[in-house]
Amino acid sequence: QVQLQESGPGQVKPSETLSLTCSVSGGSIGSYLWGWIRQSAGKGLEWIGHIYTNGRTDYNPSLKSRVTISVDTSKKHFSLKMTSVTASDTAIYFCARTVLTLFGGAHFDLWGRGTLVTVS
Amino acid sequence: EIVLTQSPGTLSLSPGARATLSCRASQTVSGNYLAWYQQIPGQAPRLLIFGASTRATGIPERFSASGSGTDFTLTISRLEPEDSAVYFCQQYGGSPNTFGQGTKLQMK
Repeated sequence: QVQLQESGPGQVKPSETLSLTCSVSGGSIGSYLWGWIRQSAGKGLEWIGHIYTNGRTDYNPSLKSRVTISVDTSKKHFSLKMTSVTASDTAIYFCARTVLTLFGGAHFDLWGRGTLVTVS
Repeated sequence: EIVLTQSPGTLSLSPGARATLSCRASQTVSGNYLAWYQQIPGQAPRLLIFGASTRATGIPERFSASGSGTDFTLTISRLEPEDSAVYFCQQYGGSPNTFGQGTKLQMK
């Protein structure tokens, strides 16, 4: 079955860029949308954004200025970059397969286990 | 942005009992686009319900959900020990998608 696995540094310094990758195994990356969600003690679960396999993206307006999501279908992975991080970006970051409605909203039918990123 | 408030914060029940979890939205959830997830520590969150009442693939019939507008409910009948988890609701009818703060279900 399809599995998602997040990878990347567990610690990032303030003002630097957080970079994470999500590898998709056991199935196709095409014909789906792929997204990122984070979970912190202060804000709970927060949708970051998602990407279509054609490269189109949608981001949470609260993070849009600092976030870029990209996809590499040949390598079957997608990535998250978040610039100018602060302590408030400390969270568990999840990647997820995203199901879009006709109106643009999305729920998440498959998740990775998550990776803890500490900004310090 | 739509704020989701879940209650109770913690629920402690015995195996075999029925659990009723509530999710209330600060404004109407368009299209009843509401999902429920189960999160067990150390595991990937799992989609239980989407569209307010449709069970996701592989989810047992013990999990059911209902509601519309601003009030939604997840019911777990005949609780089993492995149901111990945190349950989150998420609305995706308004932008941005938002999540509730979760209800922790623990077994007595």
